[in-house]
Amino acid sequence: QVQLHESGPGLVKPSQTLSLTCTVSGGSISSGSYYWSWIRQSAGQGLEWIGRVHTSGSTDYNPSLISRVTISMDTSRNQFSLKLSSVTAADTAVYYCARDPSYDFWTDWGQGTLVTVSS
Amino acid sequence: DIQMTQSPSSLPASVGDRVTITCRASQNIGIYLNWYQQKPGKAPNLLIHAAARLQSGVPSRFSGSGSGSDFTLTISSLQPDDFATYYCQQSYISPLTFGGGTKVEIK
Repeated sequence: QVQLHESGPGLVKPSQTLSLTCTVSGGSISSGSYYWSWIRQSAGQGLEWIGRVHTSGSTDYNPSLISRVTISMDTSRNQFSLKLSSVTAADTAVYYCARDPSYDFWTDWGQGTLVTVSS
Repeated sequence: DIQMTQSPSSLPASVGDRVTITCRASQNIGIYLNWYQQKPGKAPNLLIHAAARLQSGVPSRFSGSGSGSDFTLTISSLQPDDFATYYCQQSYISPLTFGGGTKVEIK
């Protein structure tokens, strides 16, 4: 059973870069055909898909965030990461990492991590 | 982007009730529609994919139907564990988008 766990700062200052890591256990992120995704949830915007990285390394981003987001994989650590630049209060949310078996839905999720953007 | 609209946003119900939640897509998405259940402080949990396919381990009281732009999630007999918020999500085209949620609460 694969498990995902988000980690990173819970507080980020406006205009800075939000950086989160998802550590995967119980399976290799470089095996099979999966999309490893980031999704966020805020009171104002509900659930929002941010983007994903495929087992192959290819990426796909939500156009609403594409100018600010980077998702990458570190296969040696079995992790994938999210970087979101130039954050504002609107980026305050619970951030989830999740696994998609290449069918564009998510069967496995991390527990989520709250990131607050505030000075 | 495809807009997903759920109704109602809040649904008071009692244990044993038959509950139906509706999700409408802003365009035809075939059967590329998935349903999740979310409880407070937890991540969403996949219930149904491809409009009507029950995810492994999900109780059979949950069912999904629909195609095109109109979909429903039905709970045949509401159990205490089912009080939660339910979301639909389209997987027809990127960006993948969610409905606003339906909170099933105790009447």
